[in-house]
Amino acid sequence: DIQMTQSPSTLSASVGDTVSITCRASQSINSWLAWYQQKPGKAPKLLIYKATSLESGVPSRFSGSGSGTEFTLTINSLQPDDFATYYCQQYKSYSTFGQGTKVDIK
Amino acid sequence: QVQLVESGGGVVQPGRSLRLSCAASGFTFRNYGMHWVRQAPGKGLEWVAVIWYDGGNDQYADSVRGRFTISRDNSKNTLNLQMNSLRAEDTAVYYCARARGGQQDGLDIWGQGTLVTVSS
Repeated sequence: DIQMTQSPSTLSASVGDTVSITCRASQSINSWLAWYQQKPGKAPKLLIYKATSLESGVPSRFSGSGSGTEFTLTINSLQPDDFATYYCQQYKSYSTFGQGTKVDIK
Repeated sequence: QVQLVESGGGVVQPGRSLRLSCAASGFTFRNYGMHWVRQAPGKGLEWVAVIWYDGGNDQYADSVRGRFTISRDNSKNTLNLQMNSLRAEDTAVYYCARARGGQQDGLDIWGQGTLVTVSS
């Protein structure tokens, strides 16, 4: 099974900051990776698919990079609406989510 | 509008069974792979199962293989999850979700979730 490890688990930041979240796969997943945002009590929202493709309607301050085993979600100029938990997901072999990164207010 | 609505959650005793359903609307259901994802209280997301657009193939997480069965009825735009031999660790909110461009892809449409509580 492919394991996904996200870091950090928690990230404290301020409005306007640029933040990055890393996701590492236990083996190569090429670019078969997605990123989601989840707010309390709500379903996850797709942000990025195929590692770098921005989902329709998602603000351009979100971007994804990486391939193989190491991936990054970057949020430029953090907005109040961006404080949430973020998950990566591999879908090369079955599917696996990372454990999540909570972005909270510093 | 494009929508997924889950139903069937509730409280069930360990060892018993429960069947979840997910009603799809606003898109051509038969063209998309569909997934179940769950989230235990206060925990992260856990992928559960996927079924191909035509129902011709399915895959399961190790934690549910042999106990859960995913199925679909493309004539009724409905996705199902039959859960047998339930355990306390199956307690979670269960989401159905659509794979955006293939059986294995980012999940672009999600339901609101249905809570399953396994407790005596």
